[in-house]
Amino acid sequence: AQKITQTQPGMFVQEKEAVTLDCTYDTSDQSYGLFWYKQPSSGEMIFLIYQGSYDEQNATEGRYSLNFQKARKSANLVISASQLGDSAMYFCAMREDEGFQKLVFGTGTRLLVSP
Amino acid sequence: KAGVTQTPRYLIKTRGQQVTLSCSPISGHRSVSWYQQTPGQGLQFLFEYFSETQRNKGNFPGRFSGRQFSNSRSEMNVSTLELGDSALYLCASSLVTDPEQYFGPGTRLTVT
Repeated sequence: AQKITQTQPGMFVQEKEAVTLDCTYDTSDQSYGLFWYKQPSSGEMIFLIYQGSYDEQNATEGRYSLNFQKARKSANLVISASQLGDSAMYFCAMREDEGFQKLVFGTGTRLLVSP
Repeated sequence: KAGVTQTPRYLIKTRGQQVTLSCSPISGHRSVSWYQQTPGQGLQFLFEYFSETQRNKGNFPGRFSGRQFSNSRSEMNVSTLELGDSALYLCASSLVTDPEQYFGPGTRLTVT
């Protein structure tokens, strides 16, 4: 069965520094996708970045990059040059291709960026 | 392009009542998924609709149901509400050809 593990309930980072949020996953499927979402206090889930299991290069989207290590089943999110507006909950999620669009989420990491 | 919209945004219901939540996907998106978010259980998948057909369902009791209309708008219904149904209900839409799912602002349901 699919499982996403986020072991960091909370993380603190100073503005302009980089931070890594950890995510490990478990699946028996060969074809799957990994996602990171940001959830501010307003509640809306904001899509950040996607990595397909067959993608050879790590995904990047602006200040976000996904450190994908397939053998270790990890998909860590790296946020470079943190901003105050990055303070939010961050969720790692996985979709198995056979599950259509069903996402399985981790428990989330609360990131607090301080001035 | 307008994002995913959900109505209502907030809802207070009494135990035993039923409720219907609505989701309008991004124009052109034909897949709509629903999720429940609670402090205790986190984010859990409810069901997914594509072309008016439910093609995946999470592990929720039959009190939770949904449907999708020909314009891809979706509704979910919860009958015989329980206190534990209090949650943020999120809807997400996507293109069939792209993996990204875009979420709406959610409907916060409180059952008293």
